This record gives sequence, C-alpha cells and structure tokens, in this order.
Amino acid sequence: AQTVTQSQPEMSVQEAETVTLSCTYDTSESDYYLFWYKQPPSRQMILVIRQEAYKQQNATENRFSVNFQKAAKSFSLKISDSQLGDAAMYFCAYRSAISGTYKYIFGTGTRLKVLA
Amino acid sequence: GAGVSQSPSNKVTEKGKDVELRCDPISGHTALYWYRQSLGQGLEFLIYFQGNSAPDKSGLPSDRFSAERTGGSVSTLTIQRTQQEDSAVYLCASSLRISGAYNEQFFGPGTRLTVL
Repeated sequence: AQTVTQSQPEMSVQEAETVTLSCTYDTSESDYYLFWYKQPPSRQMILVIRQEAYKQQNATENRFSVNFQKAAKSFSLKISDSQLGDAAMYFCAYRSAISGTYKYIFGTGTRLKVLA
Repeated sequence: GAGVSQSPSNKVTEKGKDVELRCDPISGHTALYWYRQSLGQGLEFLIYFQGNSAPDKSGLPSDRFSAERTGGSVSTLTIQRTQQEDSAVYLCASSLRISGAYNEQFFGPGTRLTVL
C-alpha cells in the first residue's frame, strides 16, 4: 500500500524568505500524480501544485515550485518570497495513475507560520 | 459559478443518533470524493463516486457509514448510530473527470461533526 509522510509538523518562515516543506512517499507504481494542497484557517483546501510522475521537469506555479526526486520518492514544496497569506496547513498527496485506482492518499500535514 | 458546497457547516449530535451530511459538487463534475479529517490528522479517504457509482467503498470505517449519489450530482454521507470517535470534519471534493488531465479536486468547506 502507498504511504505519504510529512515529517515536519510545523515550520516557520520570515516574510519574504524562502521555505521548503518536505514530503516522502512509498509506492511500487511507476506512474502516479503528486499534489500539494493548502488548507487555510477557513478550512477550504486549495490545490497549490501538481506533478505527474512521468514528467522529469519540476512543476512551478508562480512562487511555488517542487523538487521531485522520483528515485528517492521525495516531493518537496518550495515557497519563495513568503507572504503572510501563505500561512496555512500544507498537505502532500499521492494518487495512482493506474486506471481504476482513484484513491488519494494524504500526509498528515505541515503547519506553516509566516512571521512578519 | 458556485464551488463545492456542503451542509450543514456544523452539526452537533448525541451519541447513537443518525446524521446525514450533504455535498453539492460543481455542476458538470463527474467525480465526487468524501474525506474525514480528525483533529491534527491528515485527510482520510472514505469513498469516491464516478457518476452515481461507488466502485471502491474500502475506505468507509465501518458498516455504520454509507454514501450515495443521485443524478450524478448531490451526494449524502450517512453515519448511523454515531459514536464519539466519529467527531471530525468531513470534507467533500469534486473533479471534472476521475482520471487524466482533469482530475484536479475542488474541495468544499467541510462539515464539522461533533458527537456528544
């Protein structure tokens, strides 16, 4: 069975600085999707970035980028120029790309605090 | 242009009572997912629907939990004979398709269930 591990329960970053959130996963599959979701205090989960495992190029979305290391089964999220609005819980998630398998597996999350 | 909505936003019930939680997905989204988020935990996958069909019910914690979806739209998660350990936030998400490039999940704000 697949697992997703986020080993940092909480992280802090100074406003305008850069922070990296870690995520590792375990799978025997070769094709899958990886996601980072943000959950602010409002509770509504928002997709931050996604990565298809067959793509070697790391995904980027404005200030958010990932470091996808397939062999190491690592999928870290880098937030550049951190803003106060980035403060939230961040969840890493895995989903198989095998047809018929549509279950998402989430990590336990990392709470990010942004210091003014 | 509404997003995913869930009702009620909060529900307090007594142990042993039945509860129904409702999810209205984004119009046209064929896939719908239910998750449970306990305090300080990640998201626990419960069930997904492809249209009105739920191919994988393995995530439901017990036979007290059931879900249905009608008309390819609204879904109801029912918990019978609620227990205190059922207290959690129940999140619903929908996606345009179940697979491929359009599998991005859009989440609702959740229903916070408290069982006294």
